[in-house]
Amino acid sequence: KAGVTQTPRYLIKTRGQQVTLSCSPISGHRSVSWYQQTPGQGLQFLFEYFSETQRNKGNFPGRFSGRQFSNSRSEMNVSTLELGDSALYLCASSPGGSNQPQHFGDGTRLSIL
Amino acid sequence: DQQVKQNSPSLSVQEGRISILNCDYTNSMFDYFLWYKKYPAEGPTFLISISSIKDKNEDGRFTVFLNKSAKHLSLHIVPSQPGDSAVYFCAAFRSGAGSYQLTFGKGTKLSVIP
Repeated sequence: KAGVTQTPRYLIKTRGQQVTLSCSPISGHRSVSWYQQTPGQGLQFLFEYFSETQRNKGNFPGRFSGRQFSNSRSEMNVSTLELGDSALYLCASSPGGSNQPQHFGDGTRLSIL
Repeated sequence: DQQVKQNSPSLSVQEGRISILNCDYTNSMFDYFLWYKKYPAEGPTFLISISSIKDKNEDGRFTVFLNKSAKHLSLHIVPSQPGDSAVYFCAAFRSGAGSYQLTFGKGTKLSVIP
């Protein structure tokens, strides 16, 4: 069974640009969450999508947005990039019910110059 | 405020001995807890979980203990192996919230010395 796939693995952008990251969940998983990992803040929740609807959003500015498609694949967009957006962005999927673990992809490493 | 805390940034253990990683939480609404292991350049890998209706869960060399009154959980690895060297994250979840959001601790880097 294929795991969670994130593309691209690495990305370099400059300040002010925008970026789109992609996530393909495990087959059959309907919940997709995004997290940002930085050395100082650790893993922080960005948002969760379930059946194409955003169910929850973390404490991030509106420059961070996402969407989920009917096949459960998800994209995350960050506009007007800032140096502080440099981080590892992780996507995780789960079947959607409670008390079931999320499974993570290997992330996209975003570097802002 | 940090709702899930892992107070030890690092831990070194001899191969074959027990590794004990600790985690504290402040939000009493959390009712499902997970441990993840992370190697460099990879995403976190799910290890083991425990529901708040239990106080212990075992899976092979890994055991998680939950003390709800103290809002404390621990991960025991016995025996420790060099391949266990990684960063371990404790995470908590509130099942009644209507969405899936994990709150993570900042991790403990475990080094198992051969």
